Amino acid sequence: DAKTTQPPSMDCAEGRAANLPCNHSTISGNEYVYWYRQIHSQGPQYIIHGLKNNETNEMASLIITEDRKSSTLILPHATLRDTAVYYCIVRVGGGNQGGKLIFGQGTELSVKP
Amino acid sequence: GAVVSQHPSRVICKSGTSVKIECRSLDFQATTMFWYRQFPKKSLMLMATSNEGSKATYEQGVEKDKFLINHASLTLSTLTVTSAHPEDSSFYICSFPDSQETQYFGPGTRLLVL
Repeated sequence: DAKTTQPPSMDCAEGRAANLPCNHSTISGNEYVYWYRQIHSQGPQYIIHGLKNNETNEMASLIITEDRKSSTLILPHATLRDTAVYYCIVRVGGGNQGGKLIFGQGTELSVKP
Repeated sequence: GAVVSQHPSRVICKSGTSVKIECRSLDFQATTMFWYRQFPKKSLMLMATSNEGSKATYEQGVEKDKFLINHASLTLSTLTVTSAHPEDSSFYICSFPDSQETQYFGPGTRLLVL
């Protein structure tokens, strides 16, 4: 699976949009981009994933560049409860044996009042 | 999203004893699920892939005789830490993939070995 690069930490003001970048320049054509977050002392929480089109759900939006070498997770109106470590993970889709996730160091997002 | 439970949420045991952690999917069935562990201020590390009806596949450096995995059914997997030592103290987390292969994680089990 391709490796991802994320900034180690970011700050965001409460109520503002949080834009979390991720580089995955070696991504293959059949690899998806997944985003998870982990609030302190809890299991990771699924946020969103995509292949090449931009995606949006009730939690966030995922913007993937046309060349698929980078993506941005957008939390439109960050709240204090969004303070967490955010992980960008690239993995092959298709079949449970390819389903394992390899976590990098992630981005520690601090939402401040 | 899907619900995955783990039991116990935290456990303290004496060095040399064995500890069993249960991971249960409440919403869906899966032939494969995953076990991770996380040390303080570190990222999650995949330990093994648990396969229903067959042996688990362990990641490099993970001792299969120390971390026994039993995927008893399509909704239940157990991880037993045998002869636990203080260095096994960690946060153990399981995950189940749904039919769309999105993984959902349990709340984790914090193990402290004295």
